[in-house]
Amino acid sequence: DQQVKQNSPSLSVQEGRISILNCDYTNSMFDYFLWYKKYPAEGPTFLISISSIKDKNEDGRFTVFLNKSAKHLSLHIVPSQPGDSAVYFCAASTWVRSYNTDKLIFGTGTRLQVFP
Amino acid sequence: NAGVTQTPKFQVLKTGQSMTLQCAQDMNHNSMYWYRQDPGMGLRLIYYSASEGTTDKGEVPNGYNVSRLNKREFSLRLESAAPSQTSVYFCASSEEGNSEQYFGPGTRLTVT
Repeated sequence: DQQVKQNSPSLSVQEGRISILNCDYTNSMFDYFLWYKKYPAEGPTFLISISSIKDKNEDGRFTVFLNKSAKHLSLHIVPSQPGDSAVYFCAASTWVRSYNTDKLIFGTGTRLQVFP
Repeated sequence: NAGVTQTPKFQVLKTGQSMTLQCAQDMNHNSMYWYRQDPGMGLRLIYYSASEGTTDKGEVPNGYNVSRLNKREFSLRLESAAPSQTSVYFCASSEEGNSEQYFGPGTRLTVT
């Protein structure tokens, strides 16, 4: 039972255009969302995050949008560059009160290819 | 400042063999995590440790054990490896109150 879903396994975009990566979730208790980027043979690296009290967060070329009513978030990359070619994972945070820490639940990832 | 380090980078085991994957972080983080990544499955949490001396199960704990040796180190043990445990294993850490996790480079394990 996948609580965080990325329904597009791959996306191909021309350099300079916008890349839009989508993510859906099922649990309305999630209150914090993150995007990670992963290159081959490396660990994932944090890209951008958004709290459920916001609907948009921007960091340079990267913007994440959150639609709580639709349980949907998206990552926009503008303009896309060849170096953005990687696998992108969205993740939702769930708080573990007894340990005062949280756990992340990841989607299955979307492979973005940016071509010249 | 190395961040999160993992050893070994690659390992091949025969079915039934045991091994321990090592993870260490130098960021003074309280929480540490073990994930496995399989094609089409994303990253799935195996075990986590919120602080030294505490561990708890994640989504897919069967067949694994963990030890939080001290604040820096968190190891993952496979007592009797099975082909279904062929995967890439990632260790991660995070500071208290922060959801952002920092990942190691991964260990690619093949069980034949």
